[in-house]
Amino acid sequence: NAGVTQTPKFQVLKTGQSMTLQCAQDMNHNSMYWYRQDPGMGLRLIYYSASEGTTDKGEVPNGYNVSRLNKREFSLRLESAAPSQTSVYFCAGTGTGLSEAFFGQGTRLTVV
Amino acid sequence: ILNVEQSPQSLHVQEGDSTNFTCSFPSSNFYALHWYRWETAKSPEALFVMTLNGDEKKKGRISATLNTKEGYSYLYIKGSQPEDSATYLCAFILGDYKLSFGAGTTVTVRA
Repeated sequence: NAGVTQTPKFQVLKTGQSMTLQCAQDMNHNSMYWYRQDPGMGLRLIYYSASEGTTDKGEVPNGYNVSRLNKREFSLRLESAAPSQTSVYFCAGTGTGLSEAFFGQGTRLTVV
Repeated sequence: ILNVEQSPQSLHVQEGDSTNFTCSFPSSNFYALHWYRWETAKSPEALFVMTLNGDEKKKGRISATLNTKEGYSYLYIKGSQPEDSATYLCAFILGDYKLSFGAGTTVTVRA
């Protein structure tokens, strides 16, 4: 079992470029999440999907869109990247809120 | 409290000493409280998931308590070791499965 897999691991974008971060899990998670890590701020929730077919905004959704393609996959799209979106992005999944979240290995994104 | 708050932001502990730190969360609509351990350049890993008022969890030298009525949880590290150095995150989850994290408490254990 791979667990939660994110691609790519590293990416450099120019301002204004678009890209999609991919996340796939083989743990039968119902809920999936996208976070960004910023110094001194822990993990901030961008978007989440409580179950297949639903998505909701988190704390910092501006500049991002998501797609819950099926139960396994939850992608994060940056339509027009900005330097403020330079961060490390983590995808996570849980079975239910009563079970622990499992995280992907992170994507380090730099926007120049 | 509207969000998850952790204090202190950081602390330094001498090897062998015990320490504890706090997570505060909204006491209404409580569903579950998670604790995670996060080492530099790695992904967060779960320590505990707590759901009931008065719940106490233990894993080795690390333990946690939960008070849902007043909206706080304590994490305790007994006899700190250098390998305990990490950032400890708590996360609050509502019934809609929105999992929100605090900013973390960074623990540095000095040998």
